[in-house]
Amino acid sequence: QQQVKQSPQSLIVQKGGIPIINCAYENTAFDYFPWYQQFPGKGPALLIAIRPDVSEKKEGRFTISFNKSAKQFSLHIMDSQPGDSATYFCAARGGLNFNKFYFGSGTKLNVKP
Amino acid sequence: DTGVSQDPRHKITKRGQNVTFRCDPISEHNRLYWYRQTLGQGPEFLTYFQNEAQLEKSRLLSDRFSAERPKGSFSTLEIQRTEQGDSAMYLCASSLGSGRYEQYFGPGTRLTVT
Repeated sequence: QQQVKQSPQSLIVQKGGIPIINCAYENTAFDYFPWYQQFPGKGPALLIAIRPDVSEKKEGRFTISFNKSAKQFSLHIMDSQPGDSATYFCAARGGLNFNKFYFGSGTKLNVKP
Repeated sequence: DTGVSQDPRHKITKRGQNVTFRCDPISEHNRLYWYRQTLGQGPEFLTYFQNEAQLEKSRLLSDRFSAERPKGSFSTLEIQRTEQGDSAMYLCASSLGSGRYEQYFGPGTRLTVT
């Protein structure tokens, strides 16, 4: 079964909008939650990550919101730009195999000029 | 530090042939991971190494797959008797370890089995 569930599958926003991508997990042993950005034909690039003792983290235009009780976390992209058009993946580390990572299925973001 | 590199970037092979991919992690990163990614999906964990020790293998890794990391530096992933279902992007990532979990991915090797 999928350990990390990601939604939506695709997202279209206008330039300057704030796309929000959501992920949910079940395993409370997960202890690290990164987000990756991937362009076609490239490997995923680490954007930002959070640990469960923090409810929010900001790096530049990217913000992670983390709700431990709901077992959900989300990525917000402020002032989105056409160059942000890419596929975004959430992930979670840990569980029985502490160094194993589980990825969501991805969200394809299109930021229209 | 030039990041994680993978070779080759693309590989086309006929069904039944063996292929080998190489990954060079970021220097001083003692953890190295292999993932498989198919179109429209997130990376799926295959295996990981702590230095030269292979500590975890996914059930996705059939007996036709083997990975090594001699001397804890570069790693190779070999697929024997390739099948069309093996067509995918094979990604390598490395992390520092010691409480630092950030994974850095290479550009991947795109395998096409005809």
